[in-house]
Amino acid sequence: EVQLVESGGGLVQSGGSLKLSCAASGFIFSGSAMHWVRQASGKGLEWVGRIRSKTNSYATAYAASVKGRFTISRDDSKNTAYLQMNSLKTEDTAVYYCATYDYGDPPFDYWGQGTLVTVSS
Amino acid sequence: QSVLTQPPSASGTPGQRVTISCSGSSSNIGSNTGNWYQQLPGTAPKLLIYSNNQRPSGVPDRFSGSKSGTSASLAISGLQSEDEADYYCAAWDDSLNGRVFGGGTKLTVL
Repeated sequence: EVQLVESGGGLVQSGGSLKLSCAASGFIFSGSAMHWVRQASGKGLEWVGRIRSKTNSYATAYAASVKGRFTISRDDSKNTAYLQMNSLKTEDTAVYYCATYDYGDPPFDYWGQGTLVTVSS
Repeated sequence: QSVLTQPPSASGTPGQRVTISCSGSSSNIGSNTGNWYQQLPGTAPKLLIYSNNQRPSGVPDRFSGSKSGTSASLAISGLQSEDEADYYCAAWDDSLNGRVFGGGTKLTVL
């Protein structure tokens, strides 16, 4: 069974930092791109960024809203992806999901349960 | 302001057919495949449609997807009360080099 479990969320002051983790199991983590998606309360989904596999040079990409402040990394030996968030703003307050998907054969699309990050002023 | 445009709400009665639209551009839906998610309150999104019109295993065939040019659509036939949820379209955007989502459509079953 595939599982993605996020942790590390919590309350942080504006300007502060937080590091989220996403522990994966049940699939070949090292071969999969990992994404972070966030959702503010009552709002829609916003893609944060992704990191590709070693085969794809661990290439990262970020949304314009977080570029330069957030960094995605991974540790394939621990089957874990990370989201380092610096210079946090109140507008970064959201539930953060990690997710992985590939629409090849067979297709897969898995999400964690999310972790809440609250940035106070 | 989402890159992909969806109507904020839709509604229908049990048994009806409902369609939700998703308007994009040449850099996202126009050149990449569209996907649809269903999100129930307090839960993570669940994939309904991938590659424009493919259903993952376990998704009822009441759900179908299509794409035309720079727009995608999700159709739900034989509407049921448990279909009441938020629906999101998604696609990769080549110009932004990132995944983009629609603003979401809240479906109400009357």
